[in-house]
Amino acid sequence: AQSVTQLGSHVSVSEGALVLLRCNYSSSVPPYLFWYVQYPNQGLQLLLKYTTGATLVKGINGFEAEFKKSETSFHLTKPSAHMSDAAEYFCAVSFNDMRFGAGTRLTVKP
Amino acid sequence: DTGVSQDPRHKITKRGQNVTFRCDPISEHNRLYWYRQTLGQGPEFLTYFQNEAQLEKSRLLSDRFSAERPKGSFSTLEIQRTEQGDSAMYLCASSSEDGELFFGEGSRLTVL
Repeated sequence: AQSVTQLGSHVSVSEGALVLLRCNYSSSVPPYLFWYVQYPNQGLQLLLKYTTGATLVKGINGFEAEFKKSETSFHLTKPSAHMSDAAEYFCAVSFNDMRFGAGTRLTVKP
Repeated sequence: DTGVSQDPRHKITKRGQNVTFRCDPISEHNRLYWYRQTLGQGPEFLTYFQNEAQLEKSRLLSDRFSAERPKGSFSTLEIQRTEQGDSAMYLCASSSEDGELFFGEGSRLTVL
């Protein structure tokens, strides 16, 4: 069985500060890992994904994530938060189907 | 390519009525997924098709729920005898073999 746990349902940062959203996964086979973002009243959009190869993955809008097998983690980071980053972020693990974490709501303070 | 489309976008119904949602995936995608999302929660997996075959169903999918993808293209999700607890956003997504899901904007169900 595969699952993900997102640590922290709500993260608040100041504009310009580092964003760190935590995700740990459980999978019995090598996982595909994803981060999706959901803006208010909109559908889910893919930020980035890890399938194979380089463990540091760069995505859209300056986000990146690092796959750490030893820690079973896939944390999402962005060096400098922007007001437009305020949204709900979901980590997901996929083998045949995709399972999502409960989400982390990111608030960016001016 | 217009992406994944879902219809209707909003549905308000009375308890006990049946509702049906339709999903048109991206044309070249052979995999289609249904999820349910409630406020403040992540999408919960409901079911998954590869072409016309329904390969997996969540235990969340009670006997009142049924999904079909008869020709391996569009899919329908029917909820019979709706209950207030069925109120949620129903999301459809499609993918090719690489596993990246493309989501529609969802169908919001309100059961009064």
